[in-house]
Amino acid sequence: QVQLAQSGAEVKKPGASVKVSCKVYGYTLTELTMHWVRQAPGKGLEWMGGFDPEDDETMYAQKFQGRVTMTEDTSTATAYMELSSLRSEDTAVYYCATLGDSVEFDIWGQGTMVTVSS
Amino acid sequence: QSALTQPASVSGSPGQSITISCTGTNNDVGSYNLVSWYQQHPGKAPKLMTYEGNKRPSGVSNRFSGSTSGNTASLTISGLQAEDEADYYCCSYAGRGVVFGGGTKLTVL
Repeated sequence: QVQLAQSGAEVKKPGASVKVSCKVYGYTLTELTMHWVRQAPGKGLEWMGGFDPEDDETMYAQKFQGRVTMTEDTSTATAYMELSSLRSEDTAVYYCATLGDSVEFDIWGQGTMVTVSS
Repeated sequence: QSALTQPASVSGSPGQSITISCTGTNNDVGSYNLVSWYQQHPGKAPKLMTYEGNKRPSGVSNRFSGSTSGNTASLTISGLQAEDEADYYCCSYAGRGVVFGGGTKLTVL
C-alpha cells in the first residue's frame, strides 16, 4: 500500500522560495509517476506539473514555467517541489499525488500549507 | 488550458440520485476518455472516485458512476447518503498535462 507523507507547513515572505517534500512509503519512487497539485484557500484544485513517462521528462503547467522545479531523490524515496519568487497568490495547500496509467491521481499526500505573507 | 466547467453547487435528499456535469472542449474531455472524479471533504486531501469512464478504485462504492458524452463528463451518485456531502472535482487529460474543473459542492438535504 503506497503512502505519501509530506513536509510540514511553511510561512514565507514574498520573493522567497519554498521546497516541499513528499516521502514515499510502501513502494519504490521509480515505479511511481509523481505530480503536484495545489489548492488556494476556498478555491479549486490546480495542476502544477509532474513526470511524463512517455517523454521521460518532467512537464510543468504553463502558469508555473520558470518558477517551479520538481525533482526526486530515489535514495531517500522523496519527491520535491520547489516554487520560487513567491507572491501572496501562491498561498495554498500543496499536494503530491501519484498518477495512474489512465491519468488518474490515485494516491495523495496529506497536503502542505504554504503561506506567503510579509 | 482553461478549467473545465462544473456547476457551483448541487443538492439532493438522502436516497435520491444526483448528477454533476463537467464540460470541457475538443482539446480535453472530447478527445480522450480519460476523465477522473475526486471527492474532497473539508480539510482533507482529494479522494479518487472514478476514472477512465466508469472505472472505480477498490473500496469505492458502486453508488458512484462516471460517464462521458461528447465534451461533457458526468458523475452520478445514487442512493445519496449524508457522508456524500463534499466537494467534487472532475479532471481530464488534455494532451500535455491535465486540467481540473472548478469544483461542485454537494449538499445532502
